[in-house]
Amino acid sequence: AQTVTQSQPEMSVQEAETVTLSCTYDTSENNYYLFWYKQPPSRQMILVIRQEAYKQQNATENRFSVNFQKAAKSFSLKISDSQLGDTAMYFCAFMKHRQGGKLIFGQGTELSVKP
Amino acid sequence: DGGITQSPKYLFRKEGQNVTLSCEQNLNHDAMYWYRQDPGQGLRLIYYSQIVNDFQKGDIAEGYSVSREKKESFPLTVTSAQKNPTAFYLCASSIVAGLQVVQYFGPGTRLTVL
Repeated sequence: AQTVTQSQPEMSVQEAETVTLSCTYDTSENNYYLFWYKQPPSRQMILVIRQEAYKQQNATENRFSVNFQKAAKSFSLKISDSQLGDTAMYFCAFMKHRQGGKLIFGQGTELSVKP
Repeated sequence: DGGITQSPKYLFRKEGQNVTLSCEQNLNHDAMYWYRQDPGQGLRLIYYSQIVNDFQKGDIAEGYSVSREKKESFPLTVTSAQKNPTAFYLCASSIVAGLQVVQYFGPGTRLTVL
């Protein structure tokens, strides 16, 4: 069975600085997808970024980028120029290719951006 | 506006009562999902459905039931058999085609069983 581990329950960063959230996963699959979702205090789940395992290039979305290390089964999220609105719970998630969309989530990392 | 709606936002029920949580989407998505979120844990999949009149159990289906009579709707019933039903429940939907794998979430329902 696939598992997703986020080893940092809480993190904090100063506004405008850079922070990296860690995620590791365990799978024997070769084709899969990885996601980072953000859950602000409103509790609405928002997709931040996605990565296809077959792509070697790391995904980027504006201030958000990932470091995808397939051999190490690591998928970290880097947030540059942190903003107060980035304060949220961040979840790493795994989806096996062609498995009907079943997402497996990590436990989450609570990020606080301080002014 | 297209999106996913869940109602109500907060729901209170007495122990032993069944309760049904609503989830509606107007995104024309084929697949719909129900997740449960507990404090300090990630989301866990309860049930999912890829087409109308068909659904599959997720990782924690015991004590829950669903139906998918319409493409737009995927209600979740929390039965009295669910031992610890107090939680935050999230509904999601997605397209089922090729590389369209992203799930979009509703605002959630907080269920408290007294």
